[in-house]
Amino acid sequence: EIVMTQSPATLSVSPGERATLSCRASQSISSNLAWYQQRPGQPPRLLIYAASTRATGIPARFRGSGSGTEFTLTISSLQSEDFAVYYCQQYNNRPQPFGQGTTVEIK
Amino acid sequence: QVQLMESGGGLVKPRGSLRVSCTVSGFRLSEYYMSWIRQAPGKGLEWISSISTSGSITDYADSVKGRFIVSRVNANNSVYLQMNSLTADDTAVYYCAREMIGGQGGGYFDNWGQGTLVTVSS
Repeated sequence: EIVMTQSPATLSVSPGERATLSCRASQSISSNLAWYQQRPGQPPRLLIYAASTRATGIPARFRGSGSGTEFTLTISSLQSEDFAVYYCQQYNNRPQPFGQGTTVEIK
Repeated sequence: QVQLMESGGGLVKPRGSLRVSCTVSGFRLSEYYMSWIRQAPGKGLEWISSISTSGSITDYADSVKGRFIVSRVNANNSVYLQMNSLTADDTAVYYCAREMIGGQGGGYFDNWGQGTLVTVSS
């Protein structure tokens, strides 16, 4: 089973600054990676799939990159609504686990 | 628009059973895999089960295999999760999600319900 590891666990960022989140797979998953955002009390929302394709309605400040085992989610200029927990998830094969999450908090 | 709504959560005693449901609208259920994902209080996301379009293929996480059964009735726009032999570790919000197949058979989740809370406690 593939294990997904996210870092850091918590990221403290000021509004308007850039946030860079990392996700590593224990073996190659090609570009079969998705990113989700979860705000408090809300279900997760799909942000990115195929490592770099934004889902419908997702602002351009969210950018996904990477392939193989190393992936990055970059939020170019943090808005107040972006402070949340972010999860990566591999779907190259089954089972399709999530990473443990990165909390982006206000600095 | 696409909507998913879970129901059936609640308080259940250890070793008890519960069935949660997911009713969908805004898309043709028969065309999509569906999954259940749970989130224990204060914890991360755990995929637990998927079911193919016809229901002929099901898949489970090791943590629930042999205890949970996923099913669907496309004509009713519904997906179900029968949970048996419940323990405190099964306490979580249970989400249903529409699965988009990619890769070598795995999928990502493009639409989620609001979730239903299952609490296992005596």
